[in-house]
Order: sequence, then structure tokens, then C-alpha cells
Amino acid sequence: AQSVTQLGSHVSVSEGALVLLRCNYSSSVPPYLFWYVQYPNQGLQLLLKYTSAATLVKGINGFEAEFKKSETSFHLTKPSAHMSDAAEYFCAVSVAGGFKTIFGAGTRLFVKA
Amino acid sequence: KAGVTQTPRYLIKTRGQQVTLSCSPISGHRSVSWYQQTPGQGLQFLFEYFSETQRNKGNFPGRFSGRQFSNSRSEMNVSTLELGDSALYLCASSRTGDSNQPQHFGDGTRLSIL
Repeated sequence: AQSVTQLGSHVSVSEGALVLLRCNYSSSVPPYLFWYVQYPNQGLQLLLKYTSAATLVKGINGFEAEFKKSETSFHLTKPSAHMSDAAEYFCAVSVAGGFKTIFGAGTRLFVKA
Repeated sequence: KAGVTQTPRYLIKTRGQQVTLSCSPISGHRSVSWYQQTPGQGLQFLFEYFSETQRNKGNFPGRFSGRQFSNSRSEMNVSTLELGDSALYLCASSRTGDSNQPQHFGDGTRLSIL
């Protein structure tokens, strides 16, 4: 079975500071990993995905994530936070043939002016 | 290209009633998944449909059911509603449901049980 753990339910950064949202996964087979963002009263939007190609994945809005198999991690980063980045972020995992995506509990990002 | 459409956006029901939620996927997408989102439990997988067949389901009681039509539109039904069923119900679609495909989400139906 697969699982995802997001460390920190809330993260607060200042505008212009580095954003780091942590995600660790568990899977007995090679995983596919995703980061999604959710703004208030909306559904989830894909930020980026890892599907066994390059380990450093670049997404939309300046976000990127690095797949580290040895650490079973897929942390999300952005060099400089913007006020518009304030939202909830979800890490997710799926495996081939599963027809099911498992989501982490989410991390709410606050950006201070 | 129209996104995933969920109706209604908001719904208020009382305990013991039943409810049906609707989801229209992106044109060309044949896989539809449903999730329940609550502050305490986060996003919980309900079930996934492809070509009118349920391929996977989560750990929810039998009161939660779904179906998919030949045009890929999907409905989920919850019978004998309980207070704990209050949640945001999200529908997501993808072209084939293969695990390496991202999902496209609707804005959800917020269900409140009184």
C-alpha cells in the first residue's frame, strides 16, 4: 500500500523568502508523485508531477520538486514566495495499475508581507 | 476547453435523507474519481470509474455509491445521511485513469447535513 506524509500542517514564510514544503512517501513499487494546490472554495490544480523521468521536476508558478529515492522524499520548493502563493498544498502518490491516488493531509502556506 | 463541472455547488440536507451529486468530466476524459474532503480526514478516495465500470474503491460504507454513464458523466449517491457526511465532495477526471496521469478537479459540491 502507498502512503504520503506531509510534515507540517501549516508553514509561514515572508514574501520573497524560500518556500519549502516537505513530503515523504511510502511505496513498495516505483511511485508516481504529484503536487497539487488548492485555493479557497476551489478544487485542486496540478503544480507538477514526477513519473520516473528527470528527478528534478519543474512546475507552474516557479515551483519545483526533487525526487529522492534514498530519502523517499519529494519536497516542493520555490525560491521566492509571493502573496499569491498562499493556499493549501497537497502531495499525492499513485502506482501503476492502482487506479487510485493517495493524498497527503495537506500543508497550508501563509505568506507574510 | 471546459473543465470538470460539478453540480450542485452547495447542498443542505438533514439526517436520514439521501443525496445525488453530479460530475461532468472534461471532454475526452473517460476516468472519473470521487473524493471526500474534510478538515479532520483530509482528502479520502471514494471510488474510480472508467467506461462505466468501477475499478477501485476506498474504505467507505455501502451508503456511498456511484455510477458512470456512457457519456462518462458520473454521479455519486449517499443514502441515509449522517452528520459526519458533511464535507466537500470533489470529482476529478483524466483521460484513461492511468496512474501517471494527473487528475483534473472540479470545484466540488459542499454538502452540509443538519
